[in-house]
Amino acid sequence: KNEVEQSPQNLTAQEGEFITINCSYSVGISALHWLQQHPGGGIVSLFMLSSGKKKHGRLIATINIQEKHSSLHITASHPRDSAVYICAVARGDTDKLIFGTGTRLQVFP
Amino acid sequence: EPEVTQTPSHQVTQMGQEVILHCVPISNHLYFYWYRQILGQKVEFLVSFYNNEISEKSEIFDDQFSVERPDGSNFTLKIRSTKLEDSAMYFCASSPPGTSTDTQYFGPGTRLTVL
Repeated sequence: KNEVEQSPQNLTAQEGEFITINCSYSVGISALHWLQQHPGGGIVSLFMLSSGKKKHGRLIATINIQEKHSSLHITASHPRDSAVYICAVARGDTDKLIFGTGTRLQVFP
Repeated sequence: EPEVTQTPSHQVTQMGQEVILHCVPISNHLYFYWYRQILGQKVEFLVSFYNNEISEKSEIFDDQFSVERPDGSNFTLKIRSTKLEDSAMYFCASSPPGTSTDTQYFGPGTRLTVL
């Protein structure tokens, strides 16, 4: 079983829709990262969370440490949000990030 | 805005050859990482580097792999004798002083193709 599970694997939306991507993990963590991977392959860090909620523009990330669950929300989605969104966790006792398999989001105009 | 750079963007090599992938992390960062992503698969941690030594490595990072920070700015990944299964995108990342679990800044990647 993967230590980091994301759902859904694929998501399509119409422009303007509210998007939610979920991440569940099974290990103790010190931090959780949300990353965006563009079609060309480049990876951009969106958020690093250890508790609560963070907001940046139209993106909101939340984490519930007790439930070992995090969500990434995109409000008023736009075609330029089309990308793979990756959840990765940093285990408390190591440096390494453990990655989920990603959620492929396509937003159509 | 400072960014992590990687060269080359694409490297093609014959099986058994040595390759060196180059990364220039952001200048005041202290933690450095290499990851790889085989086509269609998830990103995997290879190695982390801090204070001029490896702080952690994965089971993938066997004796064929090595890392070096030769001159205080470059951070290299060497694969001594490449195998077909080493074909992947290799990402370098760095993070600022603080903790090793701080935000990581990724380079654009080097696509390695082993023939």
